[in-house]
Formats: sequence, structure tokens, C-alpha cells
Amino acid sequence: KAGVTQTPRYLIKTRGQQVTLSCSPISGHRSVSWYQQTPGQGLQFLFEYFSETQRNKGNFPGRFSGRQFSNSRSEMNVSTLELGDSALYLCASSFRWTEPSTDTQYFGPGTRLTVL
Amino acid sequence: AQSVTQLDSQVPVFEEAPVELRCNYSSSVSVYLFWYVQYPNQGLQLLLKYLSGSTLVKGINGFEAEFNKSQTSFHLRKPSVHISDTAEYFCAVSDRDFGNEKLTFGTGTRLTIIP
Repeated sequence: KAGVTQTPRYLIKTRGQQVTLSCSPISGHRSVSWYQQTPGQGLQFLFEYFSETQRNKGNFPGRFSGRQFSNSRSEMNVSTLELGDSALYLCASSFRWTEPSTDTQYFGPGTRLTVL
Repeated sequence: AQSVTQLDSQVPVFEEAPVELRCNYSSSVSVYLFWYVQYPNQGLQLLLKYLSGSTLVKGINGFEAEFNKSQTSFHLRKPSVHISDTAEYFCAVSDRDFGNEKLTFGTGTRLTIIP
């Protein structure tokens, strides 16, 4: 069974640009969550999508947005990039707690974004 | 709001020695608890989770953790570590709200195994 895949793995952008990251969940998973990992702030929850709808959102500015497609693949977009957006962006997929005893969030390898 | 505190940012341990990584949480509601491991340049892998029932939870790679409600702790232990256990370990909490996928993570503990 293929795991969570994220593309691209590495990305270099300059300040002011925008970027789109992609996440393909495990087959059958309908929930996709996004996290930002930085040395200073650690792992922080960005948002979660389920059935093409944002279900939960963390404390990030509106420059961070996302969407989910009918095949459960998700994209996140960051507009007007700032130096502080440099981070590892992780995506996780799950069935979405339909059975907590078996449901688990599985993480992808991440996209490392560097903003110059 | 929930929070997770990992008391040790770095833990060096000799190979084949036991290790305990500490985790304390704060929440106003009942929670689910998790330990994840992150190897260099990789994503997070679930080690184990506590949902309910027995407070001693066994996970992969010989790790186990004990949920202590009175002390709001969920410490991770392994009786004998191996070089391959060198990684960063994250404790995380999610509240018991059906449909809440948000995980709140601790700041991580970097485990270094000394040969």
C-alpha cells in the first residue's frame, strides 16, 4: 500500500512569490491535514480537509490556504512568501476518526521550502 | 486549549542502555496521546498511541509508554536502545472530539545513541 506522497520534496522561492504544495493521501483516506515544522516553532497545525471541505484551522495568516479535490488529493498555497515561511511542510492522511481504535494519521516525507 | 511539554530537548544514551523520554500534557478535556518518531530527512512515523483502556501501551521497535492521568504524563521508554533509535521523538495530543484531527505536538526530544 503506497504511503502519503508529497511533491515537490524541495523548493526554493524568493520573498513575495507564491507557492503550491501537493499531497496525495493513502488510498481510501479522506482526511488530509497539513503541518508546518520549523526549528523555532516546532510542529504546528495548519488546517485539515475532509470531503473537499476545510474542517479545522490553525492559527496561521490568510496567506496560507488549501483545498482538497474529489480524489482526496490536497494542495496548500502560500502567497506573498516571507522569510519566516521557510519550513518543512508535512501532510498527514487518515480515515478521519471513523474508528479511533484503528484510525491513525500517517505522515508524508514533507516538502522543504526555502524562502530567500 | 491543549499543550504538550517535552522536558528534555536532547537525551544522549549509551547503546543497550534503557531510556525514558518524558512528556507531560495539559488539557481541559479527555485526550488521545501519541508518540511519533522522525528520522533525518523523513516525515513522522507513529510509534504508539493511547486511546483508552490499559495505561501501558506497547508500540513498534520495542518502545512502550505509560499513561498517568493523575500526573498528566505519557512517558516513552525502551529497555535497551540501539544505534538505529537515533532520531527525534515527538509527543502529541488530540482531544477526544469526534472528527477533530488536529494534533498538538511537543517540541521534540533528540535521542542520540552513543556506541
